[in-house]
Amino acid sequence: GQQVMQIPQYQHVQEGEDFTTYCNSSTTLSNIQWYKQRPGGHPVFLIQLVKSGEVKKQKRLTFQFGEAKKNSSLHITATQTTDVGTYFCAGPTTGNNRKLIWGLGTSLAVNP
Amino acid sequence: DTGVSQDPRHKITKRGQNVTFRCDPISEHNRLYWYRQTLGQGPEFLTYFQNEAQLEKSRLLSDRFSAERPKGSFSTLEIQRTEQGDSAMYLCASSFDGEGSPLHFGNGTRLTVT
Repeated sequence: GQQVMQIPQYQHVQEGEDFTTYCNSSTTLSNIQWYKQRPGGHPVFLIQLVKSGEVKKQKRLTFQFGEAKKNSSLHITATQTTDVGTYFCAGPTTGNNRKLIWGLGTSLAVNP
Repeated sequence: DTGVSQDPRHKITKRGQNVTFRCDPISEHNRLYWYRQTLGQGPEFLTYFQNEAQLEKSRLLSDRFSAERPKGSFSTLEIQRTEQGDSAMYLCASSFDGEGSPLHFGNGTRLTVT
């Protein structure tokens, strides 16, 4: 079945280092969404990418959607302790009743 | 608009008991989703509604689970004859119609079955 995979599963960085998480879909996606979940919290929507090769920035966060629309990445420059959490990518399933299929997430820990 | 609210925040129950959770979505949102999440995992889809119609229910969901959205506003999720494996965070989310509409999640109901 359709799958969305994320790597790495965990990442520990020193504050100030960069961080990247990668998302790969088994099928071409019409769009991809990124969410952040803080420890003990709920997922919060960050951004949606729609176009092939699209790049969007939110301050220190850079999101990319691959040319084939099957992969995506989130890059954080100069991490801060406030970046701690789990980052999920999610893309719509194929078929009539489209819903999001989620990756397992990348948990980011930042050492001050 | 106060966002998506879920009640209760925590529920501890004994195995075999029935539990019911409530979700109040953002009022303008047509779609309402129920997810389940366990530690270290992503949200697992359970079911979703468009207005009052339940459009899809996960095949992973046993017959002990049922959800309703009677008037197209709030929703309830009931688990009958709870089992220890049902222990998880149950998340509700709502969104506008249309593919790509971002999901707005509630704080979840954490269920512990003893």
